[in-house]
Amino acid sequence: GAGVSQSPSNKVTEKGKDVELRCDPISGHTALYWYRQSLGQGLEFLIYFQGNSAPDKSGLPSDRFSAERTGGSVSTLTIQRTQQEDSAVYLCASSPPGPTSYNEQFFGPGTRLTVL
Amino acid sequence: GNSVTQMEGPVTLSEEAFLTINCTYTATGYPSLFWYVQYPGEGLQLLLKATKADDKGSNKGFEATYRKETTSFHLEKGSVQVSDSAVYFCALTPTMYSGGGADGLTFGKGTHLIIQP
Repeated sequence: GAGVSQSPSNKVTEKGKDVELRCDPISGHTALYWYRQSLGQGLEFLIYFQGNSAPDKSGLPSDRFSAERTGGSVSTLTIQRTQQEDSAVYLCASSPPGPTSYNEQFFGPGTRLTVL
Repeated sequence: GNSVTQMEGPVTLSEEAFLTINCTYTATGYPSLFWYVQYPGEGLQLLLKATKADDKGSNKGFEATYRKETTSFHLEKGSVQVSDSAVYFCALTPTMYSGGGADGLTFGKGTHLIIQP
């Protein structure tokens, strides 16, 4: 079956521009996660959705970052006024219904963001 | 807060050697523990997991035992192959008994494993 898909796979943008990153989770998965992978910071958890609701947004690096999920499916991570330190691979993951602490998270291939 | 510490490597071994990648964690309560693997050019995938103390996770010849007394979850394999070359990440999620809320994975920095023929 189809896995988690992310688009675009690569994005190059200029400093100060806004970008939108998209995640399509596995059908039927209720939980959706965003992570950032960078050389300096490793893998960082950003935000989690259960259905359309994000109970805790404190993992987002700054107020330039926002995320939404509609229809319990597709999610968009938006970065406004991009900075060079935002350059990283942004990973999305989803997991099936059930205790999220125990469930395997299925990862997408990521979006590589480069801010010039 | 929660944290995971693992050796970063690179770790270079010969084929058929014994592998240990150390992982220790800091968390309140009873987290669930995971090993994820990232093969070259591929996405992260779950290798094995353990959800309570003394549980042993195993997959593809790899094993790890949840040791609460030493807060460790070391990854082992008896005889590695060239195809095991990858980056290995130790990770945890909090559980409701830990006051977990967001349930995102907390990852270690990753260990780059290189197996030579």
